[in-house]
Amino acid sequence: NAGVTQTPKFQVLKTGQSMTLQCAQDMNHNSMYWYRQDPGMGLRLIYYSASEGTTDKGEVPNGYNVSRLNKREFSLRLESAAPSQTSVYFCASSEARESGELFFGEGSRLTVL
Amino acid sequence: DQQVKQNSPSLSVQEGRISILNCDYTNSMFDYFLWYKKYPAEGPTFLISISSIKDKNEDGRFTVFLNKSAKHLSLHIVPSQPGDSAVYFCAAAGGGGADGLTFGKGTHLIIQP
Repeated sequence: NAGVTQTPKFQVLKTGQSMTLQCAQDMNHNSMYWYRQDPGMGLRLIYYSASEGTTDKGEVPNGYNVSRLNKREFSLRLESAAPSQTSVYFCASSEARESGELFFGEGSRLTVL
Repeated sequence: DQQVKQNSPSLSVQEGRISILNCDYTNSMFDYFLWYKKYPAEGPTFLISISSIKDKNEDGRFTVFLNKSAKHLSLHIVPSQPGDSAVYFCAAAGGGGADGLTFGKGTHLIIQP
């Protein structure tokens, strides 16, 4: 019973490098999300996808791109990493849009030097 | 402009006593409120929720109270147990903006033996 799976769990990048965070869910949920968590800042929404083939910006989208590859997978790409993108990234999925309950992955800790 | 506020970064409570975590919000369009619990190095997990049409929801040791006129909700944990030590996030849905949840900054609850 995997739920939401994120890879990699840890990554260190140099400024300017690119990378993609992968996320997959096996709950047949329509909606998927990417959040970042910074100390003292709570979780902030980067991008979300309400259904396969659609993506929309959240609160902090600058410097990121996303792809909803299919219903299961939602990837987050950093084209040119910056130290300000050092954070813990969480992918989440949901079925009941009205209730808002999200199921989260375990997180991906990214450090940009 | 923070729409969901948790003004206590940390709270220390003795084991067996009541823990009360507070949350305030500013967006009157929110129609669903949730509490998430987060342990270190794990993703947030759903704890309890309440619809804006209710003023109380109870699930075992956890009760959430909603005061719409004051735009305030609280989470009560009775009795508090050592395993309750975690960061608790208040979240809200339906604010008229992006899908997904708007989170507070979290309160670190420490249960002392």
